[in-house]
Amino acid sequence: DAMVIQNPRYQVTQFGKPVTLSCSQTLNHNVMYWYQQKSSQAPKLLFHYYDKDFNNEADTPDNFQSRRPNTSFCFLDIRSPGLGDAAMYLCATSRLQGATNEKLFFGSGTQLSVL
Amino acid sequence: AQKVTQAQTEISVVEKEDVTLDCVYETRDTTYYLFWYKQPPSGELVFLIRRNSFDEQNEISGRYSWNFQKSTSSFNFTITASQVVDSAVYFCALSEAGQGGKLIFGQGTELSVKP
Repeated sequence: DAMVIQNPRYQVTQFGKPVTLSCSQTLNHNVMYWYQQKSSQAPKLLFHYYDKDFNNEADTPDNFQSRRPNTSFCFLDIRSPGLGDAAMYLCATSRLQGATNEKLFFGSGTQLSVL
Repeated sequence: AQKVTQAQTEISVVEKEDVTLDCVYETRDTTYYLFWYKQPPSGELVFLIRRNSFDEQNEISGRYSWNFQKSTSSFNFTITASQVVDSAVYFCALSEAGQGGKLIFGQGTELSVKP
């Protein structure tokens, strides 16, 4: 059974039209992450939540926001998508924050297209 | 600066061949972890192994083996007797001290195993 679930699998939006991607988890993990993976590139961390504490990476554009209403759900909001935001967005969870050996559990990703 | 390099972008082998995926890393930390993740066509990254910087013992798990050498800053992954189901993109990643969850990924190696 899937433990980190991302919906939808494919999302198409228009240039400049806000879009929200969702992630849910059944692991009851404290930490949830959003990674961006552009075509043929390495996944790159955008931000993460430790419980309700939001941690933004320094180079994450302001266009990207996130919400975590409860332990199970986390959302990625892109306020004004540009063509360069087309990518696979991966949600991941972990039990602890900051532990060097922490293993991440990933969802299947949402492939975002911007027309 | 921290960095992970996977020089092999694509590898194609015939089933039952052995194949080695290379990973070279850079970090100033003395405490860190190295990981390998597998990304099949379905999209989710699947954890394969982690190794801490103080443990240079090689590890074998079934057809998979890993060779960690601090002297060359390498953490290579070998699949013995490859199978079609091994076809995927494989990522090597680095986690520095206290930065658990913030994985620094290599570019990935796409492995294609042909029958």
